[in-house]
Amino acid sequence: EPEVTQTPSHQVTQMGQEVILRCVPISNHLYFYWYRQILGQKVEFLVSFYNNEISEKSEIFDDQFSVERPDGSNFTLKIRSTKLEDSAMYFCASSERDGTGELFFGEGSRLTVL
Amino acid sequence: QKEVEQDPGPLSVPEGAIVSLNCTYSNSAFQYFMWYRQYSRKGPELLMYTYSSGNKEDGRFTAQVDKSSKYISLFIRDSQPSDSATYLCAMSRGNTDKLIFGTGTRLQVFP
Repeated sequence: EPEVTQTPSHQVTQMGQEVILRCVPISNHLYFYWYRQILGQKVEFLVSFYNNEISEKSEIFDDQFSVERPDGSNFTLKIRSTKLEDSAMYFCASSERDGTGELFFGEGSRLTVL
Repeated sequence: QKEVEQDPGPLSVPEGAIVSLNCTYSNSAFQYFMWYRQYSRKGPELLMYTYSSGNKEDGRFTAQVDKSSKYISLFIRDSQPSDSATYLCAMSRGNTDKLIFGTGTRLQVFP
């Protein structure tokens, strides 16, 4: 069964460092998303991406964040200068363009900022 | 008022019980309703997906949407210990719009 894959599964970084989280969405999907979940809190939308541009972003997704689809298969989330409060699980998700809108999530990348 | 409200639980039931999980919402523009299951430190796994009002059944799971009451439910019949997880409701306005999640209900099914 096709799945969304994410790397790394866990990353520890120092405050102020840049982090790149990588995702390989399901191959025939055209909509891509990043969500995050701070420990003990609900899953929150960060950004959606379609046709090589951001469709929508939340207020969390400030200038420190960026997304890219560099090569037609990977979808990345970059945090330029990490803060302690960026510590969370980051989930990538994808959906078909003309499908039912069902969103499929990866297993997540756990980011710990020290 | 929160956009999506969900009782965090925990809900503890014996094996074989019928489980009812619920969410209420305030935004009448929501048209797509989903239930996800999340095991500890894992990604959300799509269980049920419903468009607009009505019922949908898949095996032991039944999803109900009542848009007039802004209320959605997930029923699990013959619950199993393997059903122990956190259940997240989620909803969106359009089929490619962002999902708004509830806080999740933690379910424990004991043998």
